[in-house]
Amino acid sequence: NAGVTQTPKFQVLKTGQSMTLQCAQDMNHEYMSWYRQDPGMGLRLIHYSVGAGITDQGEVPNGYNVSRSTTEDFPLRLLSAAPSQTSVYFCASSNPREKLFFGSGTQLSVL
Amino acid sequence: DQQVKQNSPSLSVQEGRISILNCDYTNSMFDYFLWYKKYPAEGPTFLISISSIKDKNEDGRFTVFLNKSAKHLSLHIVPSQPGDSAVYFCAASAYSGTASKLTFGTGTRLQVTL
Repeated sequence: NAGVTQTPKFQVLKTGQSMTLQCAQDMNHEYMSWYRQDPGMGLRLIHYSVGAGITDQGEVPNGYNVSRSTTEDFPLRLLSAAPSQTSVYFCASSNPREKLFFGSGTQLSVL
Repeated sequence: DQQVKQNSPSLSVQEGRISILNCDYTNSMFDYFLWYKKYPAEGPTFLISISSIKDKNEDGRFTVFLNKSAKHLSLHIVPSQPGDSAVYFCAASAYSGTASKLTFGTGTRLQVTL
């Protein structure tokens, strides 16, 4: 049982480059979300989805896009990377009102 | 505007003693609270939760206490073990009808010493 799988684990980008962080879950969860973790800031919600075709913004959505075409996948797109997006990114999934299951994270550095 | 606050960035406790981690919140709409544990280079893992209709929930060595009037919750670990050394995040949720968005605190790094 893989749970929540994130790829890649590490990524280095140059300012202005674009990339997609992948997230897949095999638990048939309706709810999926993306968080970023920064020192002294805890985990902050970027975007979330309550089901295929439905997404919404979280606390810090600027500079990120998401889509949810299937129940299993919830990719996070950085359209034009900035140094302020250097962070550790976590994808999570759950059923409503149940505990979130997290992936192991993607460490992103933007130079 | 930090709606969930963990005012102690770090805590050091001797093995066998009690660890008490604290969390305060400001949003009165929060009705479900969770604690997550995080080891380096891993994702957070769920530890224990409590609904606002309760004031205490126990699971083995872990107990969470909720004081709604003070908007305060705490996690007690008894006895503390070296494997408990990790960062602990407090999180809160307000039922929205369609989602379970969690708001996290900034975390407390617990070190359990021998």
